[in-house]
Amino acid sequence: GNSVTQMEGPVTLSEEAFLTINCTYTATGYPSLFWYVQYPGEGLQLLLKATKADDKGSNKGFEATYRKETTSFHLEKGSVQVSDSAVYFCALSNTGTASKLTFGTGTRLQVTL
Amino acid sequence: GAVVSQHPSRVICKSGTSVKIECRSLDFQATTMFWYRQFPKKSLMLMATSNEGSKATYEQGVEKDKFLINHASLTLSTLTVTSAHPEDSSFYICSAREAGGPYEQYFGPGTRLTVT
Repeated sequence: GNSVTQMEGPVTLSEEAFLTINCTYTATGYPSLFWYVQYPGEGLQLLLKATKADDKGSNKGFEATYRKETTSFHLEKGSVQVSDSAVYFCALSNTGTASKLTFGTGTRLQVTL
Repeated sequence: GAVVSQHPSRVICKSGTSVKIECRSLDFQATTMFWYRQFPKKSLMLMATSNEGSKATYEQGVEKDKFLINHASLTLSTLTVTSAHPEDSSFYICSAREAGGPYEQYFGPGTRLTVT
Protein backbone atom coordinates (compact mmCIF):
# COMPACT_ATOMS: atom_id res chain seq x y z
CA GLY A 1 0.00 0.00 0.00
CA ASN A 2 0.87 3.67 -0.09
CA SER A 3 2.85 5.34 2.66
CA VAL A 4 4.62 8.62 3.32
CA THR A 5 7.50 9.13 5.73
CA GLN A 6 8.47 12.57 6.99
CA MET A 7 11.25 13.68 9.23
CA GLU A 8 10.13 14.10 12.79
CA GLY A 9 9.93 17.54 14.27
CA PRO A 10 9.83 19.94 15.71
CA VAL A 11 12.28 21.82 13.55
CA THR A 12 13.46 25.08 15.07
CA LEU A 13 15.25 27.61 12.90
CA SER A 14 16.29 31.21 13.11
CA GLU A 15 14.77 33.66 10.66
CA GLU A 16 16.52 33.64 7.26
CA ALA A 17 17.90 30.13 7.78
CA PHE A 18 17.66 27.45 5.09
CA LEU A 19 14.91 24.89 5.50
CA THR A 20 14.76 21.28 4.41
CA ILE A 21 12.00 18.90 5.46
CA ASN A 22 12.57 15.40 4.14
CA CYS A 23 9.78 13.31 2.68
CA THR A 24 9.98 9.87 1.10
CA TYR A 25 7.15 7.73 -0.17
CA THR A 26 6.10 4.23 -1.15
CA ALA A 27 3.40 3.90 -3.76
CA THR A 28 2.20 1.82 -6.65
CA GLY A 29 2.18 3.38 -10.08
CA TYR A 30 2.91 7.06 -10.56
CA PRO A 31 1.46 9.11 -7.73
CA SER A 32 1.02 12.84 -7.48
CA LEU A 33 2.88 14.42 -4.58
CA PHE A 34 1.81 17.30 -2.37
CA TRP A 35 2.92 19.51 0.48
CA TYR A 36 0.22 20.92 2.72
CA VAL A 37 0.71 23.53 5.43
CA GLN A 38 -1.41 24.01 8.54
CA TYR A 39 -1.12 27.32 10.34
CA PRO A 40 -2.29 27.48 13.98
CA GLY A 41 -6.05 27.26 14.26
CA GLU A 42 -6.58 26.80 10.53
CA GLY A 43 -7.25 23.94 8.13
CA LEU A 44 -4.64 22.36 5.90
CA GLN A 45 -3.80 24.40 2.81
CA LEU A 46 -2.19 23.13 -0.35
CA LEU A 47 1.31 24.61 -0.52
CA LEU A 48 2.62 23.00 -3.70
CA LYS A 49 2.34 19.87 -5.78
CA ALA A 50 4.03 17.85 -8.52
CA THR A 51 2.30 15.33 -10.71
CA LYS A 52 5.16 13.56 -12.49
CA ALA A 53 8.80 12.68 -12.10
CA ASP A 54 11.27 15.61 -12.20
CA ASP A 55 8.47 18.16 -11.81
CA LYS A 56 9.26 20.94 -9.39
CA GLY A 57 6.44 22.43 -7.37
CA SER A 58 6.94 25.92 -5.97
CA ASN A 59 4.96 28.50 -4.03
CA LYS A 60 5.73 31.31 -1.58
CA GLY A 61 9.46 30.62 -1.84
CA PHE A 62 9.05 26.92 -1.05
CA GLU A 63 10.15 24.28 -3.55
CA ALA A 64 10.04 20.51 -3.85
CA THR A 65 11.19 18.26 -6.69
CA TYR A 66 9.56 14.91 -7.51
CA ARG A 67 12.46 12.43 -7.49
CA LYS A 68 11.29 9.05 -8.69
CA GLU A 69 14.72 7.43 -8.42
CA THR A 70 14.92 8.20 -4.70
CA THR A 71 11.12 8.24 -4.11
CA SER A 72 11.48 11.60 -2.42
CA PHE A 73 9.80 14.99 -2.39
CA HIS A 74 11.83 17.10 0.03
CA LEU A 75 10.55 20.58 0.89
CA GLU A 76 13.05 23.45 0.80
CA LYS A 77 13.08 27.17 1.37
CA GLY A 78 16.12 29.36 1.12
CA SER A 79 15.23 31.88 3.83
CA VAL A 80 12.46 31.18 6.32
CA GLN A 81 10.41 33.81 8.08
CA VAL A 82 8.63 33.78 11.42
CA SER A 83 5.34 33.65 9.49
CA ASP A 84 6.37 30.26 8.07
CA SER A 85 5.92 28.68 11.50
CA ALA A 86 3.36 25.94 10.96
CA VAL A 87 2.95 22.18 10.55
CA TYR A 88 3.90 20.81 7.13
CA PHE A 89 2.42 17.61 5.74
CA CYS A 90 3.73 15.61 2.81
CA ALA A 91 1.08 13.59 0.96
CA LEU A 92 0.51 11.52 -2.14
CA SER A 93 -2.42 10.55 -4.29
CA ASN A 94 -2.65 7.88 -6.94
CA THR A 95 -4.17 9.22 -10.11
CA GLY A 96 -7.67 7.94 -10.64
CA THR A 97 -8.40 7.12 -7.02
CA ALA A 98 -10.83 10.01 -6.52
CA SER A 99 -8.05 12.08 -5.02
CA LYS A 100 -7.64 9.95 -1.91
CA LEU A 101 -4.67 11.35 -0.06
CA THR A 102 -2.12 9.46 2.02
CA PHE A 103 -0.39 11.76 4.50
CA GLY A 104 2.84 11.77 6.41
CA THR A 105 2.85 12.50 10.14
CA GLY A 106 3.52 16.20 9.73
CA THR A 107 6.57 18.25 10.74
CA ARG A 108 6.22 21.25 13.00
CA LEU A 109 8.41 24.19 12.03
CA GLN A 110 9.15 26.94 14.53
CA VAL A 111 10.99 29.99 13.25
CA THR A 112 12.42 32.44 15.78
CA LEU A 113 13.81 35.93 15.44
CA GLY B 1 -12.46 31.60 -1.55
CA ALA B 2 -12.72 27.84 -1.01
CA VAL B 3 -13.36 27.97 2.74
CA VAL B 4 -14.45 24.93 4.70
CA SER B 5 -15.75 25.24 8.24
CA GLN B 6 -16.30 22.66 10.94
CA HIS B 7 -18.55 22.84 13.95
CA PRO B 8 -17.94 22.43 16.78
CA SER B 9 -14.22 23.05 17.04
CA ARG B 10 -14.08 21.20 20.35
CA VAL B 11 -16.55 18.88 22.02
CA ILE B 12 -16.52 16.81 25.18
CA CYS B 13 -19.07 14.06 25.57
CA LYS B 14 -19.73 11.22 27.98
CA SER B 15 -19.14 7.60 27.13
CA GLY B 16 -22.15 6.03 25.45
CA THR B 17 -23.54 9.22 23.99
CA SER B 18 -23.48 10.32 20.35
CA VAL B 19 -21.97 13.47 18.93
CA LYS B 20 -22.42 15.11 15.55
CA ILE B 21 -19.75 17.08 13.70
CA GLU B 22 -20.65 19.34 10.80
CA CYS B 23 -18.53 20.18 7.79
CA ARG B 24 -19.61 23.03 5.53
CA SER B 25 -18.23 24.43 2.31
CA LEU B 26 -18.94 28.14 2.70
CA ASP B 27 -18.39 29.55 -0.77
CA PHE B 28 -18.53 26.62 -3.14
CA GLN B 29 -20.49 23.47 -3.83
CA ALA B 30 -18.81 20.22 -2.89
CA THR B 31 -19.86 17.01 -4.59
CA THR B 32 -17.31 15.07 -2.59
CA MET B 33 -16.30 15.43 1.04
CA PHE B 34 -13.72 13.44 2.95
CA TRP B 35 -13.47 12.67 6.65
CA TYR B 36 -10.10 12.12 8.32
CA ARG B 37 -8.99 11.23 11.79
CA GLN B 38 -5.70 12.32 13.29
CA PHE B 39 -4.09 10.73 16.32
CA PRO B 40 -1.36 12.57 18.27
CA LYS B 41 1.91 12.54 16.35
CA LYS B 42 0.32 10.41 13.63
CA SER B 43 -0.69 11.17 10.11
CA LEU B 44 -4.22 11.95 8.96
CA MET B 45 -6.07 8.73 8.29
CA LEU B 46 -8.86 8.78 5.73
CA MET B 47 -12.02 7.37 7.28
CA ALA B 48 -14.53 7.75 4.49
CA THR B 49 -15.44 9.50 1.28
CA SER B 50 -18.93 10.91 0.90
CA ASN B 51 -20.63 11.96 -2.29
CA GLU B 52 -23.69 14.19 -2.21
CA GLY B 53 -26.87 12.18 -2.30
CA SER B 54 -25.29 8.76 -2.00
CA LYS B 55 -23.88 6.48 0.67
CA ALA B 56 -20.41 7.10 1.99
CA THR B 57 -17.54 4.82 1.08
CA TYR B 58 -15.66 3.73 4.19
CA GLU B 59 -12.00 2.78 4.38
CA GLN B 60 -11.05 -0.67 5.55
CA GLY B 61 -11.27 -1.00 9.30
CA VAL B 62 -13.65 1.92 9.82
CA GLU B 63 -16.98 0.90 11.36
CA LYS B 64 -19.73 2.42 9.27
CA ASP B 65 -22.36 1.84 11.97
CA LYS B 66 -20.26 3.71 14.48
CA PHE B 67 -19.24 6.62 12.28
CA LEU B 68 -22.37 7.69 10.45
CA ILE B 69 -21.79 10.04 7.54
CA ASN B 70 -24.48 12.03 5.81
CA HIS B 71 -23.91 14.29 2.80
CA ALA B 72 -27.41 15.57 2.17
CA SER B 73 -26.53 18.77 0.36
CA LEU B 74 -23.74 20.20 -1.76
CA THR B 75 -22.51 22.32 1.13
CA LEU B 76 -22.94 20.12 4.19
CA SER B 77 -21.66 16.77 5.39
CA THR B 78 -22.05 15.45 8.92
CA LEU B 79 -20.15 12.83 10.88
CA THR B 80 -21.95 11.29 13.85
CA VAL B 81 -19.91 9.28 16.31
CA THR B 82 -22.42 6.91 17.89
CA SER B 83 -22.10 5.36 21.33
CA ALA B 84 -18.80 7.11 21.82
CA HIS B 85 -16.01 5.55 23.85
CA PRO B 86 -12.78 7.09 25.16
CA GLU B 87 -10.83 5.45 22.33
CA ASP B 88 -12.86 7.55 19.89
CA SER B 89 -11.21 10.66 21.31
CA SER B 90 -9.31 12.21 18.45
CA PHE B 91 -9.01 15.11 16.05
CA TYR B 92 -11.47 14.82 13.16
CA ILE B 93 -10.85 16.77 9.97
CA CYS B 94 -13.03 17.11 6.92
CA SER B 95 -12.19 18.25 3.42
CA ALA B 96 -14.26 19.10 0.38
CA ARG B 97 -13.69 18.97 -3.33
CA GLU B 98 -15.42 21.54 -5.49
CA ALA B 99 -17.99 20.36 -8.03
CA GLY B 100 -16.36 20.59 -11.43
CA GLY B 101 -13.37 22.33 -9.90
CA PRO B 102 -9.66 21.47 -9.78
CA TYR B 103 -8.36 18.20 -8.40
CA GLU B 104 -7.84 19.65 -4.93
CA GLN B 105 -9.25 19.15 -1.46
CA TYR B 106 -10.00 22.14 0.78
CA PHE B 107 -9.68 21.33 4.46
CA GLY B 108 -11.62 22.39 7.50
CA PRO B 109 -9.87 23.42 10.73
CA GLY B 110 -10.76 20.20 12.52
CA THR B 111 -12.81 19.16 15.55
CA ARG B 112 -11.25 17.93 18.78
CA LEU B 113 -13.44 15.22 20.33
CA THR B 114 -12.86 14.11 23.90
CA VAL B 115 -14.92 11.26 25.29
CA THR B 116 -14.90 10.95 29.07
